[in-house]
Amino acid sequence: KAGVTQTPRYLIKTRGQQVTLSCSPISGHRSVSWYQQTPGQGLQFLFEYFSETQRNKGNFPGRFSGRQFSNSRSEMNVSTLELGDSALYLCASSKLTGGSSSNEQFFGPGTRLTVL
Amino acid sequence: AQTVTQSQPEMSVQEAETVTLSCTYDTSESNYYLFWYKQPPSRQMILVIRQEAYKQQNATENRFSVNFQKAAKSFSLKISDSQLGDTAMYFCAFMRGSNYKLTFGKGTLLTVNP
Repeated sequence: KAGVTQTPRYLIKTRGQQVTLSCSPISGHRSVSWYQQTPGQGLQFLFEYFSETQRNKGNFPGRFSGRQFSNSRSEMNVSTLELGDSALYLCASSKLTGGSSSNEQFFGPGTRLTVL
Repeated sequence: AQTVTQSQPEMSVQEAETVTLSCTYDTSESNYYLFWYKQPPSRQMILVIRQEAYKQQNATENRFSVNFQKAAKSFSLKISDSQLGDTAMYFCAFMRGSNYKLTFGKGTLLTVNP
């Protein structure tokens, strides 16, 4: 079974631009979560989607948004990029269909975003 | 809000030896889950082990085991027979039962020396 895939793997943008990152979950997984990883702040939760609905949101400004499609694929968008948005963005998927281990989150390889 | 603390920023161990990584957490929840993730230099986050708070028995996965002390809010990871491939950043993480958000500690960089 294929793992979580994220595209693109690397991205370089300049301040003020916007960016869209994509995540394809493991087949059969219905929940997708996004995390930002930086050296200073560590791993921080951005948001979680299930059945095309955002159920949880972390403490990030409104410039960070996301969506989930009917096939469970998810995208996150960052508008008006700032230097501080440079980070590794990780996507994780969970089955959440019952069972004791269905809330385990499996991570993709991440998208490395550099803002110049 | 939940917090997760990993007090050891870096640790090292000799190949084939045993090492224990510490993690403490703070929560008022009764239904929650705890996880250890491994992030090698490739940056791929890999789930190592999972523990449900309602289970008294400590979880074990091959060479990896946990010591879950619920009253003390402690969740340490023991790696036995350390291998060079265990070299990685290890993150302890907390999840509330009904909320699918992971709260991570700052991580412990483990180096396994030959």
